[in-house]
Amino acid sequence: SQQGEEDPQALSIQEGENATMNCSYKTSINNLQWYRQNSGRGLVHLILIRSNEREKHSGRLRVTLDTSKKSSSLLITASRAADTASYFCAGGAPHGGSQGNLIFGKGTKLSVKP
Amino acid sequence: ETGVTQSPTHLIKTRGQQVTLRCSSQSGHNTVSWYQQALGQGPQFIFQYYREEENGRGNFPPRFSGLQFPNYSSELNVNALELDDSALYLCASSMGGQGIDTQYFGPGTRLTVL
Repeated sequence: SQQGEEDPQALSIQEGENATMNCSYKTSINNLQWYRQNSGRGLVHLILIRSNEREKHSGRLRVTLDTSKKSSSLLITASRAADTASYFCAGGAPHGGSQGNLIFGKGTKLSVKP
Repeated sequence: ETGVTQSPTHLIKTRGQQVTLRCSSQSGHNTVSWYQQALGQGPQFIFQYYREEENGRGNFPPRFSGLQFPNYSSELNVNALELDDSALYLCASSMGGQGIDTQYFGPGTRLTVL
């Protein structure tokens, strides 16, 4: 089953505009991660925010986390055509062993037009 | 690019057959996780191996099995293939014993079951 739900499912913007994607999740998490996937290939890690953090920045990326609402948002500023990809949020959830596993949402498909 | 490699890139099998997929983890990583990604969906956690032992399993039947070798590379085996097993199979490596942190994904193996 999917942990997270991204919103919107698809987003189309012009180069230079900002893109905001939202994610809601269901269960307790240790952290919330965002990944990018180009055309059905491997996932690339973008940013991780821990459950005790509220906001984090990395280059043109800004992530927020609201554990009371079980939601997160990813903002990409000054978007470029190369940002065109699917973006997934993933909750890092503990299980019995020393490692947890990632529980992914269905993703937001971002299209940035030149 | 991550240092995680997967083979083969593509594979076509028929229903009822068996398949083995391979993954080499990034240097220094001792944990490998496997995910199944159906078309248009987010990746779903299959299982995880840490120091050659299974360390957590998602909601997949026993015909999905795996191995991790002393060099931390890993195999995913699927028996009695079904049409619904057609998907992109992703492996991810990480460091164990640190909770659920960043995972580094390989490019995936695209399995088609006819």
